[in-house]
Amino acid sequence: EVQLLESGGGLVQPGGSLRLSCEASGFTFSDFAMAWVRQAPGKGLEWVSTVSSTGGATSNADSVKGRFTISRDNSKNTLYLQMNSLRAEDTAIYYCATRAYQLYSAMDVWGQGTTVTVSS
Amino acid sequence: DIQMTQSPSSLSASVGDRVTITCRASQSIANYLNWYQQKPGKAPKLLIYAASSLQGGVPSRFSGSGSGTDFTLTISSLQPEDFATYYCQESYSSLGYTFGQGSKLEIK
Repeated sequence: EVQLLESGGGLVQPGGSLRLSCEASGFTFSDFAMAWVRQAPGKGLEWVSTVSSTGGATSNADSVKGRFTISRDNSKNTLYLQMNSLRAEDTAIYYCATRAYQLYSAMDVWGQGTTVTVSS
Repeated sequence: DIQMTQSPSSLSASVGDRVTITCRASQSIANYLNWYQQKPGKAPKLLIYAASSLQGGVPSRFSGSGSGTDFTLTISSLQPEDFATYYCQESYSSLGYTFGQGSKLEIK
């Protein structure tokens, strides 16, 4: 079964750091670019970051540039999001998703999400 | 950056109705346009990719059309399980994405 499982969310103070993980199973992880998408409470979907299949290229939304770093370990089938200098507005559910090159780069597999709350 | 504008932001309809949601891109994105359905407490689900290609397992009452800057999602005959929020998304940008603001479909 194709699956993505996020972990690492929690409560963190403003200015703090957190690292999210996304473990993939059921497909060849190293074949796919991967992305993080977030959803603030009661709000819409916001793309956060994307990493290429090899990890050699990344792209970040302006809202997280300089604070968040996306990476991957293909030997562990795991995607990461290192989040530094966290702000209240980073509070959201964070989803990882595959970037399916064969589907015009649509996101066809999603995790269940992990919740990040930034509050003092 | 590409901006995506969806309309309407919310709508009410009845079971059996035909519903159309539109999405406009701020520049041409060819057919790099995808549609997602999201139900409360759940992750989004891919419905349509490349503007008009139905993702596997998605009922045929869902359809998409458009190219360039203007796109539509149509549900031909609403079923109870279709009441959800729908998002368009451009995947034209290199590694980046932009989502529309969402369209919440509610039962009339």
